[in-house]
Amino acid sequence: GQNIDQPTEMTATEGAIVQINCTYQTSGFNGLFWYQQHAGEAPTFLSYNVLDGLEEKGRFSSFLSRSKGYSYLLLKELQMKDSASYLCAVSKQAGTALIFGKGTTLSVSS
Amino acid sequence: DVKVTQSSRYLVKRTGEKVFLECVQDMDHENMFWYRQDPGLGLRLIYFSYDVKMKEKGDIPEGYSVSREKKERFSLILESASTNQTSMYLCASSPGGYTYEQYFGPGTRLTVT
Repeated sequence: GQNIDQPTEMTATEGAIVQINCTYQTSGFNGLFWYQQHAGEAPTFLSYNVLDGLEEKGRFSSFLSRSKGYSYLLLKELQMKDSASYLCAVSKQAGTALIFGKGTTLSVSS
Repeated sequence: DVKVTQSSRYLVKRTGEKVFLECVQDMDHENMFWYRQDPGLGLRLIYFSYDVKMKEKGDIPEGYSVSREKKERFSLILESASTNQTSMYLCASSPGGYTYEQYFGPGTRLTVT
């Protein structure tokens, strides 16, 4: 079967750094995605990792360890607008659907 | 910019009605997907299509069917709506072949009474 785990909720303050973890067990792996979803809106793409290591994109970075079945999304210099759900998703095979975790709701306070 | 549009943002239907949810993408993507999103359950795949007239069942296809007669349009059909199909429905598309990000539409919040 497949399983993708991430924390349900996290809280942080403006200006801080937060790390959202994701562990996965899937029968096949062809990459891991992170999406951001604000309340009432569609998910939007943040990052994609297929090789081990860190990918940095502005204030957001994503890390992957395939041997450990583990990824994290790192958000730096948090802003109020970063309050959203963050979805971890795995691609088992090229060109097929993604398997999503249940999402982590991040609340940023001032 | 990739654009995925869905026919309605909000929809209210009665139990037993046949419901059509339409999704259109303008980027010539091969793959299209229908998900439903429920609190505490996350996004779950209902059906996906990798080409015109081709479809594959996802994790929760029961009570749903799909149609893809043209490349840009993917329809989700609730044959006989039930209250447990009240949910947010999200359509997505992506290029075929390799692994690409999926682009999501704005969603349709369906309420079945």
